[in-house]
Amino acid sequence: NAGVTQTPKFRILKIGQSMTLQCAQDMNHNYMYWYRQDPGMGLKLIYYSVGAGITDKGEVPNGYNVSRSTTEDFPLRLELAAPSQTSVYFCASSSFGQSTDTQYFGPGTRLTVL
Amino acid sequence: GESVGLHLPTLSVQEGDNSIINCAYSNSASDYFIWYKQESGKGPQFIIDIRSNMDKRQGQRVTVLLNKTVKHLSLQIAATQPGDSAVYFCAENSLINDKVIFGPGTSLSVIP
Repeated sequence: NAGVTQTPKFRILKIGQSMTLQCAQDMNHNYMYWYRQDPGMGLKLIYYSVGAGITDKGEVPNGYNVSRSTTEDFPLRLELAAPSQTSVYFCASSSFGQSTDTQYFGPGTRLTVL
Repeated sequence: GESVGLHLPTLSVQEGDNSIINCAYSNSASDYFIWYKQESGKGPQFIIDIRSNMDKRQGQRVTVLLNKTVKHLSLQIAATQPGDSAVYFCAENSLINDKVIFGPGTSLSVIP
């Protein structure tokens, strides 16, 4: 199993540009998550999904959108990039909910908005 | 508000020594705790977990201790190796709130 994969690894955007961060998992997990990690801070939950077709907001959803058309894929969309969105983004998945199960993380996408 | 390990401390240990990484949590309702290891440029990786009905759990070279009285979690690494150098996160999970809170992490540096 490849586990959780993310693309791209790095990206530089200009203010106002848009992009999609890709995330895929091959463990048949129902739950998937998007986090951002800022220097010296804990992971902050952006959006999560409990299954295909179902998504919900996390702690910091503003400026982002997600979709979950399949069990495997959970892309994160930035419509109008802002410098405040400069961060490292991690996708994760788990068999059961976040409160009862460990999460498997992807390698991350480092995004810089200039 | 809820918080886990607000500061990002650093810890330097000599190779072969034992390491102890601490984490404070504030949510009494938290009932499941996980330690993650994050190496430079990689995503967090599960190390060990513990549920609130236990106060100690051991893995391979790692031990997690949970003190619910003072809301404290610790990770002990025996015979620390250079490959243990990483940032270690604790995460507290609450089944009632269905919420996970990640601490900012502790940076462990192993001196050869």
